Amino acid sequence: EAGVAQSPRYKIIEKRQSVAFWCNPISGHATLYWYQQILGQGPKLLIQFQNNGVVDDSQLPKDRFSAERLKGVDSTLKIQPAKLEDSAVYLCASSLELGLLNTGELFFGEGSRLTVL
Amino acid sequence: GENVEQHPSTLSVQEGDSAVIKCTYSDSASNYFPWYKQELGKRPQLIIDIRSNVGEKKDQRIAVTLNKTAKHFSLHITETQPEDSAVYFCAASGAGSYQLTFGKGTKLSVIP
Repeated sequence: EAGVAQSPRYKIIEKRQSVAFWCNPISGHATLYWYQQILGQGPKLLIQFQNNGVVDDSQLPKDRFSAERLKGVDSTLKIQPAKLEDSAVYLCASSLELGLLNTGELFFGEGSRLTVL
Repeated sequence: GENVEQHPSTLSVQEGDSAVIKCTYSDSASNYFPWYKQELGKRPQLIIDIRSNVGEKKDQRIAVTLNKTAKHFSLHITETQPEDSAVYFCAASGAGSYQLTFGKGTKLSVIP
């Protein structure tokens, strides 16, 4: 089965510029997460979608970050304008979460590494 | 919200020795505790998990223990091998949700 796909893998931008990341989850996975992983730290949840609805975006810096999941499949995460502290790997993950079939396992993509200069 | 503390941040062991990584969590309602392994430049991958109704779980050389009273859980790797070298993350999620809060990670180095 195909895994979680993310693009681009790497992006270098200057501060105040904008950037967008794309994620395609595993087919059939209703729940999609975006995590931010700063170098040397654990992943930090930014936003959780269930199908095309937002479950939790309490840790998303909404003044500069936005995310959407149209049609309940692919998702995009946008940063505008970027700050130096946004330099991180942005990980997309999906999970099945279907009643008794829900194992809780998150399947991560390879991540998109953002460098803000 | 949930807070997960993980220790140590780095761990070096000789090949064949055991490695233990410990985590504590703050939310007594948390009931799912997975461990993820992340090799350099790669995605995190689930290696083992435990639920709050179980005290210990083993999978070959890997085991996880959970003490709900003390709110801590540990990862045990026996007979370590060089391919065990990676960063390990513990995580916790609350009742009714699999939304995970991760620890800061432990970089394990297995010296041949």
